[in-house]
Amino acid sequence: AQSVTQLDSHVSVSEGTPVLLRCNYSSSYSPSLFWYVQHPNKGLQLLLKYTSAATLVKGINGFEAEFKKSETSFHLTKPSAHMSDAAEYFCVVMASGTYKYIFGTGTRLKVLA
Amino acid sequence: EAGVAQSPRYKIIEKRQSVAFWCNPISGHATLYWYQQILGQGPKLLIQFQNNGVVDDSQLPKDRFSAERLKGVDSTLKIQPAKLEDSAVYLCASSFLGQGATGYNSPLHFGNGTRLTVT
Repeated sequence: AQSVTQLDSHVSVSEGTPVLLRCNYSSSYSPSLFWYVQHPNKGLQLLLKYTSAATLVKGINGFEAEFKKSETSFHLTKPSAHMSDAAEYFCVVMASGTYKYIFGTGTRLKVLA
Repeated sequence: EAGVAQSPRYKIIEKRQSVAFWCNPISGHATLYWYQQILGQGPKLLIQFQNNGVVDDSQLPKDRFSAERLKGVDSTLKIQPAKLEDSAVYLCASSFLGQGATGYNSPLHFGNGTRLTVT
């Protein structure tokens, strides 16, 4: 069965410093992986999605994620945090064949001035 | 393209009352999902439709929750009677999956949600 584990429930960084949000997945097949962001009182917005064409995936707002099959990881990074990045981030895997999207428990990112 | 539309945006009701939420997915999206998101938690799938058929409703509390998707387009989710623990944001999402494409890497598209408060 497919699943995702977000390793940190809360992450705090200073503005201008790098961001790392960690996600490990479990999948029997080549996974479909996504990162979503949710700002307060907003719906979920797609940040990026994994395509088998490239292991390094670029998303919106300067975010990237690297797919590492050997480590079953799909960590989200950004070189320099901005105050507007403060939000909840969800790693998601899609269960192939069932069209079911499985969410991680989320990581709340806090950006300090 | 227009996004997923949900209404109302907010709703406050007393326990034991009923409430209904409406969702209109992105045009052409075959698969529609309702999620419940309790404060501080990730979204939990309540029900999944493909066209107008139910694919998965295993986590839907069927004694009080019901959902339908007539004509395979828009959908309503109803709670009757509501309990205090139903206070949450109800998110509707749709996906291109199920249209004959493989669906690989097809993302979910979310509406802004309905925030329900049960007092």
